[in-house]
Amino acid sequence: AQSVTQPDIHITVSEGASLELRCNYSYGATPYLFWYVQSPGQGLQLLLKYFSGDTLVQGIKGFEAEFKRSQSSFNLRKPSVHWSDAAEYFCAVAPRGGNTGKLIFGQGTTLQVKP
Amino acid sequence: KAGVTQTPRYLIKTRGQQVTLSCSPISGHRSVSWYQQTPGQGLQFLFEYFSETQRNKGNFPGRFSGRQFSNSRSEMNVSTLELGDSALYLCASSSGGGGLNTEAFFGQGTRLTVV
Repeated sequence: AQSVTQPDIHITVSEGASLELRCNYSYGATPYLFWYVQSPGQGLQLLLKYFSGDTLVQGIKGFEAEFKRSQSSFNLRKPSVHWSDAAEYFCAVAPRGGNTGKLIFGQGTTLQVKP
Repeated sequence: KAGVTQTPRYLIKTRGQQVTLSCSPISGHRSVSWYQQTPGQGLQFLFEYFSETQRNKGNFPGRFSGRQFSNSRSEMNVSTLELGDSALYLCASSSGGGGLNTEAFFGQGTRLTVV
């Protein structure tokens, strides 16, 4: 079955520290990969996406993610976290080349930033 | 370019009633997907409409239905509301071609509370 796993439900980091959020997927073929961020009571904002090519992708707000085919992973990173990064982060996948807009989401990771 | 607009933002309904939520996609986008977000189940795909036709459907009971109009605006209807239908309902808009056009843009959501 297709699934996305975010092993960490909750992460707390100090402001200025580095961040890595993990994402693993189970899929028949390498899907399209996305990271979204959601502030409380708001919709989802796309941080970055991987379709093909360079496995290290840059996104908005200083985030980057690395696709590792051998590990079926797409981890999100940021070198220095800001207090405004506190939010919930979702990894998502969509079928490659499929005729669908359906996304499958992980359970999300809540990021808390300590001053 | 205007983003995805969902109305209303907040809604309180009584058990047994029905409700209609509205979503206006980004201009030019032909695909509208709906998701239900709850603390326990996370983000779950409800259905997708493309060019006025339902293209994909999630695993929800028949009480959940939708439609799409010729201008791509979409409505979602839930009949015979249950307490468990309380959730944030998110609408996502994409160009709809699948593949590289899978990138979805989300609205702010409609917070439905069933009492």
